[in-house]
Amino acid sequence: DTGVSQDPRHKITKRGQNVTFRCDPISEHNRLYWYRQTLGQGPEFLTYFQNEAQLEKSRLLSDRFSAERPKGSFSTLEIQRTEQGDSAMYLCASSGGLYTEAFFGQGTRLTVV
Amino acid sequence: KNEVEQSPQNLTAQEGEFITINCSYSVGISALHWLQQHPGGGIVSLFMLSSGKKKHGRLIATINIQEKHSSLHITASHPRDSAVYICLAVGGATNKLIFGTGTLLAVQP
Repeated sequence: DTGVSQDPRHKITKRGQNVTFRCDPISEHNRLYWYRQTLGQGPEFLTYFQNEAQLEKSRLLSDRFSAERPKGSFSTLEIQRTEQGDSAMYLCASSGGLYTEAFFGQGTRLTVV
Repeated sequence: KNEVEQSPQNLTAQEGEFITINCSYSVGISALHWLQQHPGGGIVSLFMLSSGKKKHGRLIATINIQEKHSSLHITASHPRDSAVYICLAVGGATNKLIFGTGTLLAVQP
């Protein structure tokens, strides 16, 4: 297993376009998390899945953001009608349970121009 | 107020010094992680603790569940230890990952 992988690593998009990111967790991990990190700031929680169930979604997220994990394996994060303020690093993490380590992907860096 | 607070926020040390970074949390937790992030780099997990103490090389992490406090110690610090250190709690109503406020460490040669 190569760890948590995210695709793409970099995305440049024009304002108003939709983007979709993918996260493949470590294969046996049932918990998957999405975070957003802007330069110089700590990661900000977006949403969290246990298997295919979305257990929590940040109130900070507007309706333009949606995430899915349809089969309890990989997850997608979609941002509709992107805005410049969406420019950030989008991080995915997975863990196998409450008492197991969390592993982080390298992130997808989004730039909205 | 953040549910997971770290201190100090910024720390500058001389090479060789013993370093302590503190983490206090106000929510019930199942476990606590210490993470490292180099500038422009990815996040790497250093430790996962649910009780007691763990040691890996020059790094030591402790947790006191009753006091809701954890510490990360670095012995014989080195410039390559310069990074952001993050305390990450598994807690809250849904046991999500809750990030601490982070500590930016700079170790000068």
